[in-house]
Amino acid sequence: KAGVTQTPRYLIKTRGQQVTLSCSPISGHRSVSWYQQTPGQGLQFLFEYFSETQRNKGNFPGRFSGRQFSNSRSEMNVSTLELGDSALYLCASSPRGLDTQYFGPGTRLTVL
Amino acid sequence: DQQVKQNSPSLSVQEGRISILNCDYTNSMFDYFLWYKKYPAEGPTFLISISSIKDKNEDGRFTVFLNKSAKHLSLHIVPSQPGDSAVYFCAASEVTGANNLFFGTGTRLTVIP
Repeated sequence: KAGVTQTPRYLIKTRGQQVTLSCSPISGHRSVSWYQQTPGQGLQFLFEYFSETQRNKGNFPGRFSGRQFSNSRSEMNVSTLELGDSALYLCASSPRGLDTQYFGPGTRLTVL
Repeated sequence: DQQVKQNSPSLSVQEGRISILNCDYTNSMFDYFLWYKKYPAEGPTFLISISSIKDKNEDGRFTVFLNKSAKHLSLHIVPSQPGDSAVYFCAASEVTGANNLFFGTGTRLTVIP
């Protein structure tokens, strides 16, 4: 079974721009979660989508948004980029629960 | 505010010895805990979990211990192998929070051959 894939793997943007990251979950998984990883804060939960609906949301500003399509693929959008948004963004898919999350390799976003 | 803390950013252990990775949490509502392992350029991989009704869970060389009164959990790896060298994250959740996991900042384990 193919794993979780994320595109692009690396991205460089400038402040004020917006960016869209994509995640394709493992086939059959309906839950997709997004996380931000930074050296100082570790992994922080952004939001989770299940069957095209946002089911949970972490403590991030409204500049961070996401959506999920009917095929369970998910996109995350960050608008008005700030330098502090530079991070590794990880996507995880799951058929049901916490101990069944499978992570993708991440997208490394650099904001200049 | 970091609700899950891993105070040791790195740990070095000789091959064959025990590795002990520690994790502390502040939210008394957490009742489900997980450990993930992460290699460079890969996403985290689930390793082992424990719910608050237990104080120990074992899976092969990996054992997780939970001390709810101290809000502390630890991961023991015995015996340690060079392939265990990775960054280890602990994570916690209130079960009612579904997939909302709170992660620590990670501990880099190096197993020296």
